[in-house]
Amino acid sequence: KQEVTQIPAALSVAEGENLVLNCSFTDSAIYNLQWFRQDPGKGLTSLLLIQSSQREQTSGRLNASLDKSSGRSTLYIAASQPGDSATYLCAVRPTGSQGNLIFGKGTKLSVKP
Amino acid sequence: DAGVTQSPTHLIKTRGQHVTLRCSPISGHKSVSWYQQVLGQGPQFIFQYYEKEERGRGNFPDRFSARQFPNYSSELNVNALLLGDSALYLCASSWAGAMNEQFFGPGTRLTVL
Repeated sequence: KQEVTQIPAALSVAEGENLVLNCSFTDSAIYNLQWFRQDPGKGLTSLLLIQSSQREQTSGRLNASLDKSSGRSTLYIAASQPGDSATYLCAVRPTGSQGNLIFGKGTKLSVKP
Repeated sequence: DAGVTQSPTHLIKTRGQHVTLRCSPISGHKSVSWYQQVLGQGPQFIFQYYEKEERGRGNFPDRFSARQFPNYSSELNVNALLLGDSALYLCASSWAGAMNEQFFGPGTRLTVL
């Protein structure tokens, strides 16, 4: 059974710091991995999608890496801003599924001015 | 282009009642998935529909049902509501195929009293 774990559960940093969020999964048989951002009480905003054949994806100040064999992904945020404060979720799509994303519980990020 | 839309935004029901939640996918997307997110947890997969057919079902009781219409919009129905059904219900749409990015709507907040 696929399980997704995100560490740490919460993280507080000062504005301008670079930071890394971690995601691990137990079964490497995945189509892809997706990182999301969720503001309190809101829906999910897709940040980056990494296919299983890719090693990393970049969008602006965000960089996500994927090491499928070890079951790990990281989300790197450069030069953090208070507006980055949110919960960050990672999700994997197991092979053999069509629409089934399996999520971690998220990392709640707070960026202090 | 409009993103995924969901209605209603908020809903309050009492135990034993029935509820219908609605979702309109991004134009051109044919796949719709439903997720339940309870406070402090990652979303849990409920259903996936593609071309009006159910393509996946999560570990939820038969009180939960869904359907997809010819215009690709979707409804999620929950019968005999329990207090534990209180959650944020999220709808996601994507192009057909497991490799594609999922885009989420703002969610419907259901409170069962």
